Amino acid sequence: GAVVSQHPSRVICKSGTSVKIECRSLDFQATTMFWYRQFPKQSLMLMATSNEGSKATYEQGVEKDKFLINHASLTLSTLTVTSAHPEDSSFYICSARAGYSTEAFFGQGTRLTVV
Amino acid sequence: AQSVTQPDIHITVSEGASLELRCNYSYGATPYLFWYVQSPGQGLQLLLKYFSGDTLVQGIKGFEAEFKRSQSSFNLRKPSVHWSDAAEYFCAVGAALDGNKLVFGAGTILRVKS
Repeated sequence: GAVVSQHPSRVICKSGTSVKIECRSLDFQATTMFWYRQFPKQSLMLMATSNEGSKATYEQGVEKDKFLINHASLTLSTLTVTSAHPEDSSFYICSARAGYSTEAFFGQGTRLTVV
Repeated sequence: AQSVTQPDIHITVSEGASLELRCNYSYGATPYLFWYVQSPGQGLQLLLKYFSGDTLVQGIKGFEAEFKRSQSSFNLRKPSVHWSDAAEYFCAVGAALDGNKLVFGAGTILRVKS
């Protein structure tokens, strides 16, 4: 099956710094990638949708200047949490979809802790 | 607005017993329906999906789900639960009209007692 790799799996950073999370499709070309956020004991909430070569579309309430998404190639999308604060601590998961496929494949997730 | 309801936050079953996890959805268009499983600290693994056709779909690990349009439900079932099935299960709905982005339910945590 299709594999999506997310890196790093865990990261701890100081408040005020920026953190970059990578999402790679290893064996297919991901024309669309999705970024989700999951708070403890809660469900996944879609943050944004990115199409290769285009600006990301953010869901209502998600600060696009704080959560920078780049999808510069068909196999890589990055999420940068800028000026991170403790309230940004969460589990971030990406998923990737090829072309007109109806199925998206999920990465392993990244546990971000801001101290 | 699209929404997915998983009414049971926690479910505990004995190993070997049958399992049913409930999922109801509200969606304006013809939905695609999914069940995912998540182990602690891990990403999501797709168990099964429904796009069209036969309303009873078979998935991995012995799971199945039945789409009932009249009840707007997509319940997940397994005839005999194994201890390794203990995890959190998410129902999700999406549609091509929405770019296939998914709306997730709140999840159901399954505990298996021996």
